[in-house]
Amino acid sequence: EDQVTQSPEALRLQEGESSSLNCSYTVSGLRGLFWYRQDPGKGPEFLFTLYSAGEEKEKERLKATLTKKESFLHITAPKPEDSATYLCAVPPLFSGGSNYKLTFGKGTLLTVNP
Amino acid sequence: NAGVTQTPKFQVLKTGQSMTLQCAQDMNHNSMYWYRQDPGMGLRLIYYSASEGTTDKGEVPNGYNVSRLNKREFSLRLESAAPSQTSVYFCASREGAQPQHFGDGTRLSIL
Repeated sequence: EDQVTQSPEALRLQEGESSSLNCSYTVSGLRGLFWYRQDPGKGPEFLFTLYSAGEEKEKERLKATLTKKESFLHITAPKPEDSATYLCAVPPLFSGGSNYKLTFGKGTLLTVNP
Repeated sequence: NAGVTQTPKFQVLKTGQSMTLQCAQDMNHNSMYWYRQDPGMGLRLIYYSASEGTTDKGEVPNGYNVSRLNKREFSLRLESAAPSQTSVYFCASREGAQPQHFGDGTRLSIL
């Protein structure tokens, strides 16, 4: 059974203080990973897909990286508007099958203080 | 684009009442999903529909039923609501290997 663990559960930063969020997973084979952002009262919003170890994706102050066993979401010089819960999820081994169900981590609640 | 639309946004029920949560997507996606999200538990899959005409149980299906009405619409029904079903419910849709797109949720309280 796939397992996804995110750490820390909560992270409080000062504006401009860079840090990283971790998503580690135990899966039968690496087949990619999704990062989502969730604002209070909203549904998760897609950020990145990473498909293979060594891949990196960037969007504004966020950069996601992937190894064989974990992914990091690096936040450079964060602003208060980056405050949200960040979720990661792994797809099933066979993405083309009818049994396609994502396994989500429980998320990291990021708070950026001005 | 509307994406995934869920109705209602908020609802309060009494124990034993029934209710249907509605979800519609305008992206022509084949697959649709219902999740519940509770503090400390993360997102848990209730039911999903890989394509029109098919539905399958997820991780926590007890107490729920679903209907894939057509390609656009996927509803979730609580036949006899219980306080343990107080949660935020999210609908999502997907096509191929693309990421799931989520609605903004229905916040359900059962007294």
